[in-house]
Amino acid sequence: DAGITQSPRHKVTETGTPVTLRCHQTENHRYMYWYRQDPGHGLRLIHYSYGVKDTDKGEVSDGYSVSRSKTEDFLLTLESATSSQTSVYFCAISAGGTITEAFFGQGTRLTVV
Amino acid sequence: GDSVTQMEGPVTLSEEAFLTINCTYTATGYPSLFWYVQYPGEGLQLLLKATKADDKGSNKGFEATYRKETTSFHLEKGSVQVSDSAVYFCALGNNAGNMLTFGGGTRLMVKP
Repeated sequence: DAGITQSPRHKVTETGTPVTLRCHQTENHRYMYWYRQDPGHGLRLIHYSYGVKDTDKGEVSDGYSVSRSKTEDFLLTLESATSSQTSVYFCAISAGGTITEAFFGQGTRLTVV
Repeated sequence: GDSVTQMEGPVTLSEEAFLTINCTYTATGYPSLFWYVQYPGEGLQLLLKATKADDKGSNKGFEATYRKETTSFHLEKGSVQVSDSAVYFCALGNNAGNMLTFGGGTRLMVKP
């Protein structure tokens, strides 16, 4: 199994509070991604990174920011959580280059009350 | 932009029945195509993939053929088992190899 660890696995937070989710990899893969999974929407890309300090927006980036200061860590921050951000968040990694598959973490279930 | 459409579920089958989950895509260029599976409480796992037209991906009895003429990548299995109960996602990889676009997922329930 690819070495991907997400933390925390579960979190309940209040509306308006900041939240940071962490993704840690041990595979030294170039690309890291944050997706959210919601019923009826499949997986939607929030942000991704193609190297240290190199990030770009995905399909649903509003309300989210990311940072990657080391190859192995990719942080997702909700600056001021809203109920619409209640979701399951998945981190994924990929070696990139010619088409290669992505490997996924176990997910973080976030509930904003 | 790129998009993936797959049949809505849930799909409910009896054990040993034949499975088909339809997937069609819209993309420019020559994307790679994937099927991922998600078991309850877990992340997604790659099930199979195909990188060019007419390629057939296969794994664990599942198969899918990359049909460029119909822009499809339907998932099939000849005889499903209860352990195949999961959510299946069709996905498309862009030409640059750095992005996956997912379909909405299809829940499969297999009854003994």
